[in-house]
Amino acid sequence: DSGVTQTPKHLITATGQRVTLRCSPRSGDLSVYWYQQSLDQGLQFLIQYYNGEERAKGNILERFSAQQFPDLHSELNLSSLELGDSALYFCASSASGPHTDTQYFGPGTRLTVL
Amino acid sequence: TQLLEQSPQFLSIQEGENLTVYCNSSSVFSSLQWYRQEPGEGPVLLVTVVTGGEVKKLKRLTFQFGDARKDSSLHITAAQPGDTGLYLCAGGELGSQGNLIFGKGTKLSVKP
Repeated sequence: DSGVTQTPKHLITATGQRVTLRCSPRSGDLSVYWYQQSLDQGLQFLIQYYNGEERAKGNILERFSAQQFPDLHSELNLSSLELGDSALYFCASSASGPHTDTQYFGPGTRLTVL
Repeated sequence: TQLLEQSPQFLSIQEGENLTVYCNSSSVFSSLQWYRQEPGEGPVLLVTVVTGGEVKKLKRLTFQFGDARKDSSLHITAAQPGDTGLYLCAGGELGSQGNLIFGKGTKLSVKP
């Protein structure tokens, strides 16, 4: 158990819909990262937050957004969903300090768009 | 953009055999992590290496970071069925805010 929690575990929805994925980092960790994992692309970095502020952006679509709240949990919002958005979405957290590389991953949310 | 290439992509061996997985890049990384992932689960951190030439051992697993911090290897001695999984290497981008670049992974299957 990494100490990172994600909900829900599974999510099934239809094209055009909007969903919210939730992540709680390890106790004391200030950085939260979101990744998308699909069969053909591997793990792709989406976005990073540090202590409530966006710190870095990766391959995140404009239809996707995220935020980190004062209690440090984070949410990833996916809108206007397409079939190709079906994937595993992982949250990871790292120890205090934006330059710490070691990340601890949650169990993921499996999103299926029908 | 920094890229990490892992090889081989797939590896199927018998219990008791040794194996090595490689992670290569043309770019320098501040650190390199190895993760193991089982189907439907999140990646689990195995080791972090930060110094060029560093070697770390974790029971039957030996990790090495290249002298130039551009490549790494994972060697497993006497593989067991419990070692089966997806092995991912991830490099910390120089000058980044802690972002990791992931390789596509090596899918290892160890048959009893």
